[in-house]
Amino acid sequence: SQTIHQWPATLVQPVGSPLSLECTVEGTSNPNLYWYRQAAGRGLQLLFYSVGIGQISSEVPQNLSASRPQDRQFILSSKKLLLSDSGFYLCAWSEADTQYFGPGTRLTVL
Amino acid sequence: GNSVTQMEGPVTLSEEAFLTINCTYTATGYPSLFWYVQYPGEGLQLLLKATKADDKGSNKGFEATYRKETTSFHLEKGSVQVSDSAVYFCALSETYSTLTFGKGTMLLVSP
Repeated sequence: SQTIHQWPATLVQPVGSPLSLECTVEGTSNPNLYWYRQAAGRGLQLLFYSVGIGQISSEVPQNLSASRPQDRQFILSSKKLLLSDSGFYLCAWSEADTQYFGPGTRLTVL
Repeated sequence: GNSVTQMEGPVTLSEEAFLTINCTYTATGYPSLFWYVQYPGEGLQLLLKATKADDKGSNKGFEATYRKETTSFHLEKGSVQVSDSAVYFCALSETYSTLTFGKGTMLLVSP
């Protein structure tokens, strides 16, 4: 069966520091992968998606970037965090038109 | 563009009450429709889905019917439990299986 992992589970970072969040999927090949952000009390915002290694589509221009160095690995990065980057970051993979979500990373920028 | 509108929450119910959470959508083409549930501090879990008009998705006592004529996908459950307390998201599928989500509806069930 397929499983999706995210780490770290929680992270507290100072403003201006770099960021790297990792997502890996097991039990499937060449999945579509997605990064979402959920700000406190708000809905989900699609940040990036990838249909294959090295292929990244950005939905919202901002100081975040994504990379897919391996088939089942998706990384979310930033060179300098802003206060507004705080939130709950969710990774997902899809099979046909259905998405399956990871447990999320809670990021607090102070 | 496509959009999903959900009823504002929170929805507060007593245990064993009937639940309806309204969801309407606008879309070009014929998207699949989904309900996801998010328990506190966790990721989203797929609750149910429907892929074409008049399909009924069901799971764990929850049901929703894809109504093309009213562009709706309302979530219902006949008898809610305290453990159903969570945030519920309605969503529709788009290109490359990206999803458009509603803003979520919090459900609070008291004993």
